[in-house]
Amino acid sequence: EAQVTQNPRYLITVTGKKLTVTCSQNMNHEYMSWYRQDPGLGLRQIYYSMNVEVTDKGDVPEGYKVSRKEKRNFPLILESPSPNQTSLYFCASSPRDGNNSPLHFGNGTRLTVT
Amino acid sequence: SQQGEEDPQALSIQEGENATMNCSYKTSINNLQWYRQNSGRGLVHLILIRSNEREKHSGRLRVTLDTSKKSSSLLITASRAADTASYFCATVAQSNFGNEKLTFGTGTRLTIIP
Repeated sequence: EAQVTQNPRYLITVTGKKLTVTCSQNMNHEYMSWYRQDPGLGLRQIYYSMNVEVTDKGDVPEGYKVSRKEKRNFPLILESPSPNQTSLYFCASSPRDGNNSPLHFGNGTRLTVT
Repeated sequence: SQQGEEDPQALSIQEGENATMNCSYKTSINNLQWYRQNSGRGLVHLILIRSNEREKHSGRLRVTLDTSKKSSSLLITASRAADTASYFCATVAQSNFGNEKLTFGTGTRLTIIP
């Protein structure tokens, strides 16, 4: 089944403890992206990747890192999480550029930082 | 900054009725997309309409685009309980840096009453 898989679904951590949220897609998509969703703010893009080894900042990249060593994987890294990073996170992929073809979303990771 | 704003923020209708949601945006766009999000899940792509198109259909969904008014509407006919979800419009426009950028609105929460 074609899908975007994120892990974990739920994560509670403490301030400053490094964490990684994994994202994997099995559709051979070129484009991958991370979003955070907060009440009243909609989805905001954190980072995106047009292809392997190519990553770019989105609208809210501060406090996050990403890597794209393989086409299928696009992990999101929080080196030193803070409470304002408590949010619902989504990974998405698209066949080409993420603008002119549909985005396929994972089921989300709900992160709480205390 | 948000490009698309959905209206209304919340909508409740009886099963079987039609549901209409609107999206207004501020600048010229290349395309506009509608997504559905069931509670706590990832977004699912519904329809993409390009700036030179005025109307598109997909099953019980009808999307219109009026570029002169900078607005779009999503009509769901003969609503079902399973249509209960949040609906987001997303616009693709040229950014200040000259590249295309996809921006999500904050969504309309649709509740279908059985």
